[in-house]
Amino acid sequence: KAGVTQTPRYLIKTRGQQVTLSCSPISGHRSVSWYQQTPGQGLQFLFEYFSETQRNKGNFPGRFSGRQFSNSRSEMNVSTLELGDSALYLCASSVAVSYGYTFGSGTRLTVV
Amino acid sequence: GENVEQHPSTLSVQEGDSAVIKCTYSDSASNYFPWYKQELGKGPQLIIDIRSNVGEKKDQRIAVTLNKTAKHFSLHITETQPEDSAVYFCAASTGGGADGLTFGKGTHLIIQP
Repeated sequence: KAGVTQTPRYLIKTRGQQVTLSCSPISGHRSVSWYQQTPGQGLQFLFEYFSETQRNKGNFPGRFSGRQFSNSRSEMNVSTLELGDSALYLCASSVAVSYGYTFGSGTRLTVV
Repeated sequence: GENVEQHPSTLSVQEGDSAVIKCTYSDSASNYFPWYKQELGKGPQLIIDIRSNVGEKKDQRIAVTLNKTAKHFSLHITETQPEDSAVYFCAASTGGGADGLTFGKGTHLIIQP
């Protein structure tokens, strides 16, 4: 079956702009989580959605937000981009909250 | 919140030998411990996971052990092959807790031919 699909794969934005990243989970998976991966901080949890409701949120500023649609697809948005937001953003889906995540290949965001 | 320490950061072994990666966690409420393998340009791939009611789990050449008392868990890879070369991450979760998965910093495993 198809894996977790993230679009776009690469993105270059200017400081101060906003960006929206998209994630399509594995069919039947209702939980979608987002992580930020950087060389310095590693993999850090952003938030998790289940049945369109945000269940958990990591320690990130309010500029980072997300949502989940009725078909379980999810988007995350980063407003007022900063240079430090440059990272690989990973989406993961699972059948249940917090177990058995399958990750997508990520969106590489570069802020210039 | 949870803190996960992972060692070593780099591990080089001869092809055919075994590799062991160790992690410790701080939150005694953590009850789910997955291991991920990440190859260049790809997302992390779940290779094995264990829950706190189990002390050991095996899947072919891969095994994970968990010591709840000491709050540490380890990944064991036997008969290593070139395709095992990658970065490996351990993680911990309270399973529905507030922090999602907390990851270790990763181990770059290099298999020498």
